[in-house]
Amino acid sequence: GAVVSQHPSWVICKSGTSVKIECRSLDFQATTMFWYRQFPKQSLMLMATSNEGSKATYEQGVEKDKFLINHASLTLSTLTVTSAHPEDSSFYICSARDPSTYEQYFGPGTRLTVT
Amino acid sequence: AQTVTQSQPEMSVQEAETVTLSCTYDTSESDYYLFWYKQPPSRQMILVIRQEAYKQQNATENRFSVNFQKAAKSFSLKISDSQLGDAAMYFCAYRTSNTGGFKTIFGAGTRLFVKA
Repeated sequence: GAVVSQHPSWVICKSGTSVKIECRSLDFQATTMFWYRQFPKQSLMLMATSNEGSKATYEQGVEKDKFLINHASLTLSTLTVTSAHPEDSSFYICSARDPSTYEQYFGPGTRLTVT
Repeated sequence: AQTVTQSQPEMSVQEAETVTLSCTYDTSESDYYLFWYKQPPSRQMILVIRQEAYKQQNATENRFSVNFQKAAKSFSLKISDSQLGDAAMYFCAYRTSNTGGFKTIFGAGTRLFVKA
């Protein structure tokens, strides 16, 4: 079946630095990808919709200058957390939509810890 | 805006028995999809079952079935013959139509415990 990968699976960074998370669709070309954030024991909250070749659409309350999303190719979207703070520590999950089937496939997630 | 509500933070079931997880949603759309996802400790989201809103027949996948009541905006998941491997977090999810950008919105989740 379709596979979506994320890299890294776990990252620790210092407060004030930036960290980039990659999301790749391995079996199909994804014109649309989604980024979610999940705090411990909570649900997935949609952060933004990433569209290939255009600007991302952010959900209300998500700082677009802090969470930079780039979808430069049909198989790769990146989320950069800029000037990270401890409260940005969370589990970040991406998903990719297969345009031929409209199915949405989830990546395994990235655990971000900001110290 | 669409919302998804799961009113059961935790549920427990004896192995081999049946359990039903509840979900309600709110929308003004007529065309949409509903899903149940399983999230084990690995955190990988696993699709359990899918229901198209325009289909009246309830979806079934082996031991998993749904009770879809469109007018009541209710979408419950029934797990039959529960197994230890079914223990996980279960999320009910709503996917918007094309005009809504195909966004998937999740409920708060229900943690299912399976007792041996």
